[in-house]
Amino acid sequence: DTGVSQDPRHKITKRGQNVTFRCDPISEHNRLYWYRQTLGQGPEFLTYFQNEAQLEKSRLLSDRFSAERPKGSFSTLEIQRTEQGDSAMYLCASSSPSLGTSGISYNEQFFGPGTRLTVL
Amino acid sequence: QQQVKQSPQSLIVQKGGISIINCAYENTAFDYFPWYQQFPGKGPALLIAIRPDVSEKKEGRFTISFNKSAKQFSLHIMDSQPGDSATYFCAASITDEVNRDDKIIFGKGTRLHILP
Repeated sequence: DTGVSQDPRHKITKRGQNVTFRCDPISEHNRLYWYRQTLGQGPEFLTYFQNEAQLEKSRLLSDRFSAERPKGSFSTLEIQRTEQGDSAMYLCASSSPSLGTSGISYNEQFFGPGTRLTVL
Repeated sequence: QQQVKQSPQSLIVQKGGISIINCAYENTAFDYFPWYQQFPGKGPALLIAIRPDVSEKKEGRFTISFNKSAKQFSLHIMDSQPGDSATYFCAASITDEVNRDDKIIFGKGTRLHILP
């Protein structure tokens, strides 16, 4: 399977604990995105990387959240001192550039299966 | 401020019928409008997408209709099947390499159920 993979698929933790999630993008994709999805809502953007550079962070990403993509391949998302409000599905997506009539653009983002976090 | 508004929240359609989901957007800088399909426990999967230079795009049973002046677009699923039962998200993004801002803004989703 050459799609986006995420690990773990499920994580249950107690409030105050730290958790770390991993995302492996499609190998030739140089952009990697993190989204958060709560029940009954659409995914919300958290942050994204181009290669190893973190280019944008949402205001949703509090200082308890940190993401890395050290070698431009896989990425990790760490949540420190988890709170019950952090319970959500954390989705990773990746994309690669394409050349269209308007120049280079990143259109299709391929999503992984997500990591469902439950904070007790 | 919700930049992409989607309706209805839920939809029940008889097998063989037409499912219609509507979306409206606010930011005229959006230039890419994808629809995603999500099954329980899975990540969203791209279904079909359109750019604002065309008014309609059809792929199999799925059609996007786009009205740039009204800032609205819709998904039509023809001959709806029980296997189409899923949550559908409309979305929008700005695919501007210079601004490096191509995050996807999702609607809240429509839970579609096709009756057998």
